[in-house]
Amino acid sequence: AQKITQTQPGMFVQEKEAVTLDCTYDTSDPSYGLFWYKQPSSGEMIFLIYQGSYDQQNATEGRYSLNFQKARKSANLVISASQLGDSAMYFCAMREGRYSGAGSYQLTFGKGTKLSVIP
Amino acid sequence: DAGVIQSPRHEVTEMGQEVTLRCKPISGHNSLFWYRQTMMRGLELLIYFNNNVPIDDSGMPEDRFSAKMPNASFSTLKIQPSEPRDSAVYFCASSFSPPGPSTDTQYFGPGTRLTVL
Repeated sequence: AQKITQTQPGMFVQEKEAVTLDCTYDTSDPSYGLFWYKQPSSGEMIFLIYQGSYDQQNATEGRYSLNFQKARKSANLVISASQLGDSAMYFCAMREGRYSGAGSYQLTFGKGTKLSVIP
Repeated sequence: DAGVIQSPRHEVTEMGQEVTLRCKPISGHNSLFWYRQTMMRGLELLIYFNNNVPIDDSGMPEDRFSAKMPNASFSTLKIQPSEPRDSAVYFCASSFSPPGPSTDTQYFGPGTRLTVL
């Protein structure tokens, strides 16, 4: 079974509108971290936002926020006021076992969602 | 501060040749990761180091791949001999991973686009 599922291969959004990119995850570990990365056409991977499994509040970073629904195992990325520069691939990733002492530092990535912002 | 530095940015080589990719992690980071990205398989972790020690190399495709981290500021990924199916973008990432709870956020380098003809 996939650990990270991003069901939207591609999405379109009008400039200045908000958009939600979906991510569901699968883990039995009580301690995990969820990450979102942006990959523009230039190819670099840019860290956007992090949510820990024990965090009580949803993470926010500027125009990015993470809609974390633990019971549903979802960690959707919300981008407010979309800009043309937001056009890119977006990857959801998960790290398990870090706090439980397993010492795992690796990330498992989803397949990504390609976001296109329309002027 | 400088981010993760990778070299070369682009590499074109012929099948059978040795390829060496280089990475300088962010200063102070103690974990280093090598990923490969292809259209078919997405992002795959090849190997990661913690405090210069390889922790998990189960993602390394085969014996043709090897990675070293001789010190905290340098790592190499070597492919010998290279094959056309090795064509991909190779990313290096680093993070600060203390013993206690931490976000362990990984920061990626710009990647090396490898083409094996």
